[in-house]
Amino acid sequence: DTGVSQDPRHKITKRGQNVTFRCDPISEHNRLYWYRQTLGQGPEFLTYFQNEAQLEKSRLLSDRFSAERPKGSFSTLEIQRTEQGDSAMYLCASSSPEGRVHNEQFFGPGTRLTVL
Amino acid sequence: DQQVKQNSPSLSVQEGRISILNCDYTNSMFDYFLWYKKYPAEGPTFLISISSIKDKNEDGRFTVFLNKSAKHLSLHIVPSQPGDSAVYFCAASPTSGTYKYIFGTGTRLKVLA
Repeated sequence: DTGVSQDPRHKITKRGQNVTFRCDPISEHNRLYWYRQTLGQGPEFLTYFQNEAQLEKSRLLSDRFSAERPKGSFSTLEIQRTEQGDSAMYLCASSSPEGRVHNEQFFGPGTRLTVL
Repeated sequence: DQQVKQNSPSLSVQEGRISILNCDYTNSMFDYFLWYKKYPAEGPTFLISISSIKDKNEDGRFTVFLNKSAKHLSLHIVPSQPGDSAVYFCAASPTSGTYKYIFGTGTRLKVLA
């Protein structure tokens, strides 16, 4: 399977703990995105990487959130001092320019975070 | 400020009939639109897209229509099948400068056998 993979699929943590999620994009894709989805809502954009450069961050990405993409391959999303409001599905997506302005983003299965 | 709106949270259709899912947007800078399908416990799956220079794009049973003057797009599924039962998200992307998608809140489609 050469799709986008995310690990872990589920994470339960206590309020105040730190959590880290990993995303492995499709291998030839140089763009990587993180979204967050809460119940009854569509995915909301968090941040975007082109290769290793983080080019855009949403206002939703508070200072407790940090994302990295070392070497332009996999990416990690860390949430420090988790709050109950952080409970959501965290989705990763990737895409490839292929010489076009717009290209479809392919999503992973997501990591469901529950903060108790 | 909900820039992409899907006003119907749910839709039920008989198998074999047409399903029509609607989406409205407010930002005239959007120039690329997509539909994603999502099953429970899975990530969204790309279905079909349309550029703002077109008013229709067809792929098998799926057709997307874009009405720029009304800032409205729709997804037609003909004929509907029970396996089409899922949540459908409309998404939009602005003109170059950002590659993020703005998603609607989704419409849950149930195709009845």
